[in-house]
Amino acid sequence: EAQVTQNPRYLITVTGKKLTVTCSQNMNHEYMSWYRQDPGLGLRQIYYSMNVEVTDKGDVPEGYKVSRKEKRNFPLILESPSPNQTSLYFCASSFGTGLGYTFGSGTRLTVV
Amino acid sequence: DAKTTQPPSMDCAEGRAANLPCNHSTISGNEYVYWYRQIHSQGPQYIIHGLKNNETNEMASLIITEDRKSSTLILPHATLRDTAVYYCIPPRDNYGQNFVFGPGTRLSVLP
Repeated sequence: EAQVTQNPRYLITVTGKKLTVTCSQNMNHEYMSWYRQDPGLGLRQIYYSMNVEVTDKGDVPEGYKVSRKEKRNFPLILESPSPNQTSLYFCASSFGTGLGYTFGSGTRLTVV
Repeated sequence: DAKTTQPPSMDCAEGRAANLPCNHSTISGNEYVYWYRQIHSQGPQYIIHGLKNNETNEMASLIITEDRKSSTLILPHATLRDTAVYYCIPPRDNYGQNFVFGPGTRLSVLP
């Protein structure tokens, strides 16, 4: 089944403890992206990648890192999480220009 | 960036057509309009996109005005499972991958 898989689905962590949220797609998509969703603020793009080793900042990149070493994986790294990064995170992928994204099921992160 | 305006909420009776409007008066000539929906806290789901001509797929129809300043998403026979937030989005870059999701329209399909 064609899908975008995020792990974990739920995570509670403490301030400052590095964490990685994984994202993998099995559709050979070139484009991948990370979003966060907060009440009243909607979905905001964190980082996106147009191909392997090509990444760019979205609207809210502060406090996050990404890497794209292989086409199928696009992990989101929080080096030193803070409570304001408590949010619902979505990964998405697409073949490219003019085609819609397929989104993952989301990762609900709580930083205490 | 092209701006979009959608009504915050709409109701629709089950089995009837749901017509969701979107104003995108600042859209440029080569920008597509994409529609997504999000059911509760699930990942957004792509519905349809278009440039100039009307489009139809198994989920919905998209009617774009001739001047491209507005569009309407039509769900021909709404069901309870179509209750969701619907987003009208022009991407911000020529690659069509940098989406900005606004508040959207919360559609409630009523029995």
